[in-house]
Amino acid sequence: DVKVTQSSRYLVKRTGEKVFLECVQDMDHENMFWYRQDPGLGLRLIYFSYDVKMKEKGDIPEGYSVSREKKERFSLILESASTNQTSMYLCASSFPGHNHEQYFGPGTRLTVT
Amino acid sequence: GQQLNQSPQSMFIQEGEDVSMNCTSSSIFNTWLWYKQDPGEGPVLLIALYKAGELTSNGRLTAQFGITRKDSFLNISASIPSDVGIYFCAGQYNNDMRFGAGTRLTVKP
Repeated sequence: DVKVTQSSRYLVKRTGEKVFLECVQDMDHENMFWYRQDPGLGLRLIYFSYDVKMKEKGDIPEGYSVSREKKERFSLILESASTNQTSMYLCASSFPGHNHEQYFGPGTRLTVT
Repeated sequence: GQQLNQSPQSMFIQEGEDVSMNCTSSSIFNTWLWYKQDPGEGPVLLIALYKAGELTSNGRLTAQFGITRKDSFLNISASIPSDVGIYFCAGQYNNDMRFGAGTRLTVKP
């Protein structure tokens, strides 16, 4: 059974703090993704990675960075959190060529005050 | 980037009723997908469609890939309380995947 886990279900941070969101998958997937989910907007792609040390910008990368040091782990970093980054963050993974079969983690609901 | 137009935004139905929701786009896609997100969880893939005109069922769920490749619909028959959640459509063209805004379904017992 595919398992994608995210380090926190709920997180509250202050404006300006550096925030790390961790994602780990146990299915040896090469591809990993970070999305944010906002009401009425669906899922929007922030960054993705097709291999270790590799990263590509998605549709809304501003204010975010990522790190992929190991195949199973993909971290999303908010260098200086702002209130407009309050959102649900979803991590997903898939095999190469199977981006349509993405397995999602449970999400981290981040509130920036 | 291109987002999908998913409707309706929300539905309140009685247990036992059938449900229909759809997604449209101005662009064509090679693959259409339907996900369900339970409260407090991440989306889970329900149905994947790979060919224009394809009609696929998964239990009480039926989805179709539109002939024009620009739309898809999902039907749920004989709804039950555990059908509650948010349903997302997604379209993929090569490695680019786009999601609809979701349809929030509430089922009253």
